[in-house]
Amino acid sequence: AQSVTQPDIHITVSEGASLELRCNYSYGATPYLFWYVQSPGQGLQLLLKYFSGDTLVQGIKGFEAEFKRSQSSFNLRKPSVHWSDAAEYFCAVDSDTGFQKLVFGTGTRLLVSP
Amino acid sequence: EPEVTQTPSHQVTQMGQEVILRCVPISNHLYFYWYRQILGQKVEFLVSFYNNEISEKSEIFDDQFSVERPDGSNFTLKIRSTKLEDSAMYFCASSSTGSYGYTFGSGTRLTVV
Repeated sequence: AQSVTQPDIHITVSEGASLELRCNYSYGATPYLFWYVQSPGQGLQLLLKYFSGDTLVQGIKGFEAEFKRSQSSFNLRKPSVHWSDAAEYFCAVDSDTGFQKLVFGTGTRLLVSP
Repeated sequence: EPEVTQTPSHQVTQMGQEVILRCVPISNHLYFYWYRQILGQKVEFLVSFYNNEISEKSEIFDDQFSVERPDGSNFTLKIRSTKLEDSAMYFCASSSTGSYGYTFGSGTRLTVV
């Protein structure tokens, strides 16, 4: 069965510093991968997604992610973090049952220090 | 930008009571979903709905749960007899193309006391 691992529960980054959030997946075929962000009390907003093609995908709010098949990873990056980026970030993979269901990781909470 | 609307944003109910969580998906979407997130845990799939029937459901989605699209605009999740462990944030989502393009609602926080 598909699974997603986000090894970091919390990460603290200084404002202006770079960010990398880790995501590893387990999937039998070529996965469809997603990163979502959830601000406190809010819903889930799609940051970016990978289906095929260029392994470096650009998303909203200056985020990017790189798909590495050899490492089964899809890490999220941002070159310079802003205080408003403080939120919970979820990596997700689609199921192999008709491209409908998403399987989420446990999330990484990003804290931004001044 | 089109939104998925969920009501209410918060609901408190007594154990054993029935609750109905409501969602208005994006109007031209064909796939509808419910997910839940127990506090501090990951988001979990409950059910997907397509062509007026359930297309997939998880082990969580037992006989206490049901979904309905009573008219052309609403999509509801009913929990017949709530338990304490049903306390969670429930997210509705809709898509025109399956998992390629989900839009999530802002969620309903259900508290069972």
